Amino acid sequence: DAKTTQPPSMDCAEGRAANLPCNHSTISGNEYVYWYRQIHSQGPQYIIHGLKNNETNEMASLIITEDRKSSTLILPHATLRDTAVYYCIAFRTRDDKIIFGKGTRLHILP
Amino acid sequence: GAGVSQSPSNKVTEKGKDVELRCDPISGHTALYWYRQSLGQGLEFLIYFQGNSAPDKSGLPSDRFSAERTGGSVSTLTIQRTQQEDSAVYLCASVRLGGYTFGSGTRLTVV
Repeated sequence: DAKTTQPPSMDCAEGRAANLPCNHSTISGNEYVYWYRQIHSQGPQYIIHGLKNNETNEMASLIITEDRKSSTLILPHATLRDTAVYYCIAFRTRDDKIIFGKGTRLHILP
Repeated sequence: GAGVSQSPSNKVTEKGKDVELRCDPISGHTALYWYRQSLGQGLEFLIYFQGNSAPDKSGLPSDRFSAERTGGSVSTLTIQRTQQEDSAVYLCASVRLGGYTFGSGTRLTVV
């Protein structure tokens, strides 16, 4: 079973920040939180990952709560091209089997 | 190569025929996954290869599905006696140090 839970869908106005939540209450101390997104008909694309500290890259920011039971992916200025299904997954190392949940379908509204 | 390559990109086959889907992972990546995604659905785990270990086949939906990985590199997913419910996009991912790279997938349509 997936170790993470996400809302099935969200809407966000174009130009605003999109905040996508993820619960991972059973995450263990050495498991990373990864975010991927899948734009229609394409393979999943890596966005960002983190362990304990907040992370930022050119695509997004990742905020992880102090107890690590949840996290939020932030797309600072959403565009129509950010419309996709966003997956939050937790795993330890390359030896772990990834189980994807159903993700969050993000709709960017013009 | 620079990324994970899958072939063919599209495959239309008649019900009852066998199909083979190929995945060329990134050189040096030790782990390889196959996933399936039906229309409007999430990613469904099928099988996982890690180095020389026995593959984790727990996600294969039936004994019509099999996969092999030759020489620790190229992988082939075989579906025998295809059924219409096998229609989906089949995605391959290769892994190194926690970074997962997905191919563009093979869209299989069984008619």
